[in-house]
Amino acid sequence: AQSVAQPEDQVNVAEGNPLTVKCTYSVSGNPYLFWYVQYPNRGLQFLLKYITGDNLVKGSYGFEAEFNKSQTSFHLKKPSALVSDSALYFCAVRGPSGGGADGLTFGKGTHLIIQP
Amino acid sequence: EPEVTQTPSHQVTQMGQEVILRCVPISNHLYFYWYRQILGQKVEFLVSFYNNEISEKSEIFDDQFSVERPDGSNFTLKIRSTKLEDSAMYFCASKQREYNEQFFGPGTRLTVL
Repeated sequence: AQSVAQPEDQVNVAEGNPLTVKCTYSVSGNPYLFWYVQYPNRGLQFLLKYITGDNLVKGSYGFEAEFNKSQTSFHLKKPSALVSDSALYFCAVRGPSGGGADGLTFGKGTHLIIQP
Repeated sequence: EPEVTQTPSHQVTQMGQEVILRCVPISNHLYFYWYRQILGQKVEFLVSFYNNEISEKSEIFDDQFSVERPDGSNFTLKIRSTKLEDSAMYFCASKQREYNEQFFGPGTRLTVL
């Protein structure tokens, strides 16, 4: 069975500083990895994904993530945090099975708080 | 920009009643999903639907649950006899092709009394 771990319940960063939100995964075969963000009373918004290719993927709002196969990690990063980045961030994985059998497995989420 | 919509935004029901949660996926998408998020917990996969049939379901998706795409636009989740533990936020999602990301709706908050 596949799983995702987000070891931090909350990450606090000062505005303008770089941020990292950690994610590790476990899946059979090659993983497909995703980051989503959830603002209060809103649905999940897609940020970025890794399917194959370059280990550093860039996404929306200046976010990027680095896929590390040996460490089974997919940490979310941003060089300079904004107060508006404050939200709940979810890492998710799907296994290599196709044909629509690709329900995502989510981590428990990390609250990112950017302090002015 | 097209988006997934869900109705109602909040549904309150009595235990044992049937509820139907409705979703309108993005129009050219082919894969459809339901997830739930119990308050304070992680988002959990319920079911995926492709080519007019269920392609995968989790252990949560028991005989009390069913899904349907009654027409070319709607995708519904039915809970036949609700339980207190069904209280959660239910998210619908859709995607266009197999390796695309899923787009999520705003959710329906289901409260079972």
